[in-house]
Amino acid sequence: KQEVTQIPAALSVPEGENLVLNCSFTDSAIYNLQWFRQDPGKGLTSLLLIQSSQREQTSGRLNASLDKSSGRSTLYIAASQPGDSATYLCAVQSRTNAGKSTFGDGTTLTVKP
Amino acid sequence: KAGVTQTPRYLIKTRGQQVTLSCSPISGHRSVSWYQQTPGQGLQFLFEYFSETQRNKGNFPGRFSGRQFSNSRSEMNVSTLELGDSALYLCASSLGAGMNTEAFFGQGTRLTVV
Repeated sequence: KQEVTQIPAALSVPEGENLVLNCSFTDSAIYNLQWFRQDPGKGLTSLLLIQSSQREQTSGRLNASLDKSSGRSTLYIAASQPGDSATYLCAVQSRTNAGKSTFGDGTTLTVKP
Repeated sequence: KAGVTQTPRYLIKTRGQQVTLSCSPISGHRSVSWYQQTPGQGLQFLFEYFSETQRNKGNFPGRFSGRQFSNSRSEMNVSTLELGDSALYLCASSLGAGMNTEAFFGQGTRLTVV
């Protein structure tokens, strides 16, 4: 059974800092790993999708890496801004279990002005 | 193109009632998955529909059911509502099922049971 863990559960940083969010998973038989952002009471917004054959993906100030063999992914946010404050979730789509996606519990990020 | 649309956005129901939530996926997407999100339990998978068939089901009681129509729109029904059913219900749309695919989420329906 796939398990996804995100550490830390919460993170507070001053504006302008670079930061890293972590995601680990137990079963490396995956199609892809997806990072999402969720604002309070809202739906999930897709940030980056990394295929199992890829090592990293970049979008603007965001860079996500994937090490499938060790079951780890990181989301790097450069030059953080108050508008980056949100909960960040990672989800792993498994090759087994009919392609079901498993989500971590998220990291709640607060960027202070 | 239009994103995933969930209706209604907010709902207040009384214990014992039933409720139906709707999800219209992105045009061309044939898979719809439903999730329940609560502060204590995080995001929990309810079920997935593809081409009007349920492909996958999470560990929820039989009071939770769903269906998908020929136009890929999906509905989720909860009968005999309990206080613990209060949650944000999210649906995700993707091109296919059981294959490498990206998921796109709607804004959710906030259900409050009183």
